[in-house]
Order: sequence, then structure tokens, then C-alpha cells
Amino acid sequence: AQSVTQLDSQVPVFEEAPVELRCNYSSSVSVYLFWYVQYPNQGLQLLLKYLSGSTLVKGINGFEAEFNKSQTSFHLRKPSVHISDTAEYFCAVSEGFMGNDMRFGAGTRLTVKP
Amino acid sequence: SAVISQKPSRDICQRGTSLTIQCQVDSQVTMMFWYRQQPGQSLTLIATANQGSEATYESGFVIDKFPISRPNLTFSTLTVSNMSPEDSSIYLCSVGGPNTEAFFGQGTRLTVV
Repeated sequence: AQSVTQLDSQVPVFEEAPVELRCNYSSSVSVYLFWYVQYPNQGLQLLLKYLSGSTLVKGINGFEAEFNKSQTSFHLRKPSVHISDTAEYFCAVSEGFMGNDMRFGAGTRLTVKP
Repeated sequence: SAVISQKPSRDICQRGTSLTIQCQVDSQVTMMFWYRQQPGQSLTLIATANQGSEATYESGFVIDKFPISRPNLTFSTLTVSNMSPEDSSIYLCSVGGPNTEAFFGQGTRLTVV
């Protein structure tokens, strides 16, 4: 079965600095990869997803992620963060069937400081 | 994308009681999912609910504790039965999208005292 490891539980950065949130996965088959964001007291919102094709995926709010099959990674990046990006970020992997096998990482708490 | 409404958004309950959480979707969907997010933790799938059949529970979750109903293609309920403080969590309803992504409700924040 697939699994996800988010390497950093907390990432503090200053406003306008770049950020990378790391995600590694394991699976014996081809996978689909996702990043979700959870703002305080809210549900999860999809940031971006990789299904196939170009390994560089652009999402909402200026985020992007790169799928690296050889390193089994799907790191999330943003060149310049804002205070409003403070949230919990979850990496997720699915082996493809309508979401019932989606597995989530433990989450990374991004805190953007002024 | 699907729009999902969950009720209640939060509740404080006495131990030993039960709470039923409702999930309404704005379109017909085949599968609905219920997740638990314990404090400071990631999401754990409780069960998959299909219309017209019994829910499929993940390891560690049982129907007696978390009975689920799925009366039609746009609605589901999750009941947390005989609650204890360990059941204090956020419970999230989710549906699968056409490209394998999942859409989530706002969640129900449950505190058991």
C-alpha cells in the first residue's frame, strides 16, 4: 500500500522568503499526488495535483510542485510567501480509484512571520 | 468541483452520548468518505459509504462505534456513538472527484467532556 512522509512537521519562514515543503511517497504502482492546505478551523482545500504529463505542476495561490519519480518526491514550493499562507499543508497519494485509497502525510505547519 | 456542507460545524458533548454528523453534497456522487483528524494529527479514513450498501470500514473502525447511513447519492451521516474524550477530533466528509482528487467539507469539530 502507498504511504506518504512529510519530512518537516513545522516550517517557520519570514514574509516574502521562498519556501519548500518536502514530501516523499512510496508505492509499488503509478500514483497520483496531491497537496492540500488547511487554514485554521477549516476543511481541506486542494492546492494542486499531479496526475500525469509535465512533472512541474502549478496550483493556486502561487504554489507549484515537482514530481520526481526517481526520488519518489513531490515537494511543494513558493518563491515568496505571505502572512496569509500560514496554514497546515498535507501531501497525499492515491493509486487512482476515486479517492477511496488516498493516504495523507502527517502535515507540515507553515508559519509565515512578518 | 463539489460543494460539501457539514452539520454541525462544532459541538461539545457529554461522554456516553452520541452525535450524528450530516454531510450534504451539491451533486450526485458514487462514493462518500468519512475521515477523522485527531488533534495535531493527519487525516485517517474511517469508512467509505456507497449508496444502497453497507459502508466499508477501515482497520480499527467498527460499525457499532461509527454507524454510517447513505440514503441517497447526495447525503450521508456519520454517528459517533457512546463517546469518550478520546473521540474528540475533527470529522471530515469527503467525495471523490473525476480526476481522483478528493473534495472536503469544512469539518465537524467535536469535543467530548
